[in-house]
Amino acid sequence: SYELTQPPSVSVSPGQTARITCSGDALPKQYAYWYQQKPGQAPVLVIYKDTERPSGIPERFSGSSSGTTVTLTISGVQAEDEADYYCQSADSSGTYVFGTGTKVTVL
Amino acid sequence: EVQLVQSGAEVKKPGESLKISCKGSGYNFSNYWIGWVRQMPGKGLEWMGIIYPGDSDTRYRPSFQGQVTISADKSISTAYLQWSSLKASDTAMYYCVRQSGGGIGTDAFDIWGQGTMVTVSS
Repeated sequence: SYELTQPPSVSVSPGQTARITCSGDALPKQYAYWYQQKPGQAPVLVIYKDTERPSGIPERFSGSSSGTTVTLTISGVQAEDEADYYCQSADSSGTYVFGTGTKVTVL
Repeated sequence: EVQLVQSGAEVKKPGESLKISCKGSGYNFSNYWIGWVRQMPGKGLEWMGIIYPGDSDTRYRPSFQGQVTISADKSISTAYLQWSSLKASDTAMYYCVRQSGGGIGTDAFDIWGQGTMVTVSS
């Protein structure tokens, strides 16, 4: 099985931009998805298929992909964006994997 | 409204068996893959396995194969996760998730259940 590696933590001031990376050898061949999890809550999908944003997710959330790394960008960070973020990928054989998770702290 | 509603929190002793449930509503339950995700206290998300209720095709993460059983009853739109002999290390929050359309491994987990907390302690 392969792994998806994320930085453990990212700190950002309100109004600034937070970038969270996710690295994995299979990412050039597979889509990535991003989930936000606030304390005591179930995760919520914020980005799908590398760059698409589900309805109801604020425009400040965006995704990008380059080679073996995908990136979740939060532009104009707000206090309510403080949460854990997980990337996830899967292949057509039915192997799913989550990233190691990144805690975003809004200073 | 599309939703997954899970059964309530459980407190069990080591060696006991357990079956938790996940009921889907607001969509055709048979046509979407349902997965299970474990989150141990203070830790990250781990994919455990997935089932297609339409034909019960089931896949497991190797580390969970033989440790748990995933099943589904499409007639009542419910998926299950069960253990035959719990261990203290099974203490965790368990989420059921719906994969949004497509074949296996082709889309996001767009709907999450509220989670079922399982505590195993003597």
